[in-house]
Amino acid sequence: GAGVSQSPSNKVTEKGKDVELRCDPISGHTALYWYRQSLGQGLEFLIYFQGNSAPDKSGLPSDRFSAERTGGSVSTLTIQRTQQEDSAVYLCASSLEIRQGPYNEQFFGPGTRLTVL
Amino acid sequence: DQQVKQNSPSLSVQEGRISILNCDYTNSMFDYFLWYKKYPAEGPTFLISISSIKDKNEDGRFTVFLNKSAKHLSLHIVPSQPGDSAVYFCAASARDDKIIFGKGTRLHILP
Repeated sequence: GAGVSQSPSNKVTEKGKDVELRCDPISGHTALYWYRQSLGQGLEFLIYFQGNSAPDKSGLPSDRFSAERTGGSVSTLTIQRTQQEDSAVYLCASSLEIRQGPYNEQFFGPGTRLTVL
Repeated sequence: DQQVKQNSPSLSVQEGRISILNCDYTNSMFDYFLWYKKYPAEGPTFLISISSIKDKNEDGRFTVFLNKSAKHLSLHIVPSQPGDSAVYFCAASARDDKIIFGKGTRLHILP
């Protein structure tokens, strides 16, 4: 497809379970970002990948959160031992690169709505 | 510590009038600013951006103004249309660093 895709679109899980969220960025985009939006909150940065550089993990809220980007393309965000406060919409975005200007316009996927019961 | 602040959670504007969405930032290293628009159940989409070397950027009905001394930017939409009803996110970045988003302002265009 032409845009960023994310799966699943909705995920309901029980507290304590692990979940994996997937992001397929736009082909050729070297930068990939994960954000989450909790109810009534803005877009909270979680992590970004830029080419072969070490990812910036400074936004991950705890060590239960991790992300991988395989082959410079698909990314998976994993949340271990989910808690109710993890409930949010998780958004993935990609851009050509991270450099400022027209090249860093981020294209967002539709998000995954995670509900932890 | 919120580096990008949108202090109005919501705003209602009559169709045809001007919508003004405000944003304040605290990090003086920010030098690139963006606005994104988000409809329900969709990801945000890029709307307009401005570099710190400018104080105004216009694209059709959308104009972004930047006041560096006040660390303030605003998005003007004129005339406002029903399709403009959405959540608008202000965002900023320092050179070649990640983009930081505000909490968003929900804009309602009234018929």
